[in-house]
Amino acid sequence: ETGVTQSPTHLIKTRGQQVTLRCSSQSGHNTVSWYQQALGQGPQFIFQYYREEENGRGNFPPRFSGLQFPNYSSELNVNALELDDSALYLCASSLDNNYGYTFGSGTRLTVV
Amino acid sequence: KNEVEQSPQNLTAQEGEFITINCSYSVGISALHWLQQHPGGGIVSLFMLSSGKKKHGRLIATINIQEKHSSLHITASHPRDSAVYICVRNTGNQFYFGTGTSLTVIP
Repeated sequence: ETGVTQSPTHLIKTRGQQVTLRCSSQSGHNTVSWYQQALGQGPQFIFQYYREEENGRGNFPPRFSGLQFPNYSSELNVNALELDDSALYLCASSLDNNYGYTFGSGTRLTVV
Repeated sequence: KNEVEQSPQNLTAQEGEFITINCSYSVGISALHWLQQHPGGGIVSLFMLSSGKKKHGRLIATINIQEKHSSLHITASHPRDSAVYICVRNTGNQFYFGTGTSLTVIP
């Protein structure tokens, strides 16, 4: 049984650029959720995907978008990066949102 | 306004002490999660609760649905328990995070 894998682990981007972060869910999990954690703060829920459809979204603007693929891996895309987007981005997977979540180690994004 | 309140914010304990971290929320839940986050960011999901009590090793989590309150207990605390503990309210397909409790266990 594999855990949740996120890539890349660290990333530096320039303001205005676009970024894609990737998450490979734990085997057998069909639900994935993404979180943003700014330095010194708790995580904030971005959105959740279930069987390739977005089925929950937090208070984030549309330039934060995602995809879930048939193998249940997932991407988080952020357009028009802003300095405040600098954060640790975490993904977590679950089976049917009815069981505990397995978290990835995160991608640390720095926007300069 | 944070809909999930945790207390205390910071906690320092001697090794071996019994520790309690509290979480209160204001609206109904589908489930309540307890997470552990170590320095560097790695998160471990400890418990997912919708009622009653769960135990895993030295960790015990309880929830009182009527009072909208959950507690995480650590028995015989150890320095490796030092981490931030986060309570998460899951309502439908939304997740609301508590502010976290930073625990330091001193040898």
